[in-house]
Amino acid sequence: GAVVSQHPSRVICKSGTSVKIECRSLDFQATTMFWYRQFPKQSLMLMATSNEGSKATYEQGVEKDKFLINHASLTLSTLTVTSAHPEDSSFYICSARFSGGAGNEQFFGPGTRLTVL
Amino acid sequence: AQSVTQPDIHITVSEGASLELRCNYSYGATPYLFWYVQSPGQGLQLLLKYFSGDTLVQGIKGFEAEFKRSQSSFNLRKPSVHWSDAAEYFCAVGARQAGTALIFGKGTTLSVSS
Repeated sequence: GAVVSQHPSRVICKSGTSVKIECRSLDFQATTMFWYRQFPKQSLMLMATSNEGSKATYEQGVEKDKFLINHASLTLSTLTVTSAHPEDSSFYICSARFSGGAGNEQFFGPGTRLTVL
Repeated sequence: AQSVTQPDIHITVSEGASLELRCNYSYGATPYLFWYVQSPGQGLQLLLKYFSGDTLVQGIKGFEAEFKRSQSSFNLRKPSVHWSDAAEYFCAVGARQAGTALIFGKGTTLSVSS
């Protein structure tokens, strides 16, 4: 149980295009999902907190117009990187909080490797 | 400020030897504590977590961690390392209230020599 999937696992796109990444909780409902970004050999940095049915909360320095987050259902959140540029190349990981779980346990997706040419 | 410190960037251990990865945190209240492992190009796998109760926590793959409130530490240990344990290890803290993100340390890369 408590599986989180991400799609796609790897994407390569041209500069200027938009890319959508999906994060799904497969066997539980998640009122809150989180989007992290990880640069090579570095830790995970929180980008935004996504709550079902409401606007995402972005961390300081993260452009909300560039990284569009939609959390339309209790099992799906999407991150759209708009007008992607090479500096957006990174490993994007989502996590989902199990609504009925103890405390603040979160389950992580396998990540999406974005490469912008 | 809330933060997690993993003092060791890279550790090399001989196969079969014991391992301890250090984690110190700075947090306003008693946090939830986690250890995750990440293999290259992969997502995070939860090794163990501490919410409350017994301060010595057992996890998967033979790992354990001990919460020491007085030292603000949550060090990860394993008595005998296997070559397959080579990976990146992240310590993380989170608030007790739901809906808040985790704060991660910078990670420790573990190499295992034969």
